[in-house]
Amino acid sequence: DAEITQSPRHKITETGRQVTLACHQTWNHNNMFWYRQDLGHGLRLIHYSYGVHDTNKGEVSDGYSVSRSNTEDLPLTLESAASSQTSVYFCASREGLATEQFFGPGTRLTVL
Amino acid sequence: RKEVEQDPGPFNVPEGATVAFNCTYSNSASQSFFWYRQDCRKEPKLLMSVYSSGNEDGRFTAQLNRASQYISLLIRDSKLSDSATYLCVLNGGSQGNLIFGKGTKLSVKP
Repeated sequence: DAEITQSPRHKITETGRQVTLACHQTWNHNNMFWYRQDLGHGLRLIHYSYGVHDTNKGEVSDGYSVSRSNTEDLPLTLESAASSQTSVYFCASREGLATEQFFGPGTRLTVL
Repeated sequence: RKEVEQDPGPFNVPEGATVAFNCTYSNSASQSFFWYRQDCRKEPKLLMSVYSSGNEDGRFTAQLNRASQYISLLIRDSKLSDSATYLCVLNGGSQGNLIFGKGTKLSVKP
């Protein structure tokens, strides 16, 4: 069955370190997204991609970057982790703009 | 008005109750509407799409009112397993990306 996976599921890191969160989907979807979810804010879009080599900034992109070298993967990098980036991160993908969006299981990141 | 507004709840209801959630949105150009369900510490999952004519899926009924810019979700005969957070979702962000409400928490008690 097609799926979307994230790794690691839990990560503790220190302020200033670079961190990369992996996202892999096997649906062959062109559209992939990264969100963070915090209490009181709901899901907020960090970055998204509509295809290989395409990346776009979302509403909370500062301090994050993504790259899309193939259809299946959209890794999210925190260049220099900050305590404000402690959150739960969800990757998602969907086929079209009006179709169901599938989410990965999430990565819980703690920055000390 | 915020892009998507939901009553955060929590809604505490007994098993068998009927409960309704409303959601208002500000972007009149939005074309696609959804309800997602999110269990505690889990990822959101699609519950149902919302169509202009209204649609029903078992105990769940979704309605869309474009004139007043709100969508609703009705849950009949609530089960313990319905306890979750319900997210109102629509397209309307940059390039048609999905916009998520903050969610309404439902707790169904025995």
